Amino acid sequence: DIQMTQSPSSLAASVGDRVTITCQASQDISNYLNWFQQRPGKAPKRLIHDASNLETGVPSRFSGGGSGTRFTFTITSLQPEDIATYYCQQYDSLPLTFGGGTKVGIK
Amino acid sequence: QVELVASGGGVVQPGRSLRLSCSASRFTFTTYVMHWVRQAPGKGLEWMALMSSDRNNVYYADSLKGRFTISRDDSKNTLYLQMNSLTAEDTAVYYCARGLLTLARIKEHYDMDLWGQGTTVIVSS
Repeated sequence: DIQMTQSPSSLAASVGDRVTITCQASQDISNYLNWFQQRPGKAPKRLIHDASNLETGVPSRFSGGGSGTRFTFTITSLQPEDIATYYCQQYDSLPLTFGGGTKVGIK
Repeated sequence: QVELVASGGGVVQPGRSLRLSCSASRFTFTTYVMHWVRQAPGKGLEWMALMSSDRNNVYYADSLKGRFTISRDDSKNTLYLQMNSLTAEDTAVYYCARGLLTLARIKEHYDMDLWGQGTTVIVSS
């Protein structure tokens, strides 16, 4: 199974700050990576697919990058509505696997 | 608006069975791979199973140990998860999700995009 290691597990930043989350795959997954946002009590929502492609309607302050085994997810200017847990997920191979999540809060 | 609605959760005793349903609307259900994913209280996401659009390909996480069965009824636009021999470790929110299969250099890639709202299963005596 491909292990997805996400860091940090939690962070707190001020409104307007730049926030970056990293995701490391245990083997090469090319660009077969999604980023999901899960607000408290809600279902996950996909923000980015194929490592760097933004879903339609998702604000441009969200972005993703990387390929192979190392990936990043960035919020360029944190907003109050971005309070959520973010997960990376690989779909290179079965079983599909998720990172452990990064809980993003406001200072 | 495209929607997935999961139902069938509840409180069930250890060792008993439960069947979850996921009703799809406003998209062509028959063209999508369908997944089940669960989330234990306060924990992360765990992929459980998928069924391809033609029902020919079914895959499960090893952790399910043959206790769970995924199925779909395209005439009802509905996905199911039959869960048997439930234990406390199966307590979770269960989500259905849709996805697409892509083929690249003969390798299959099963994506997931839209998720339903989840249904809660509590296994307790």
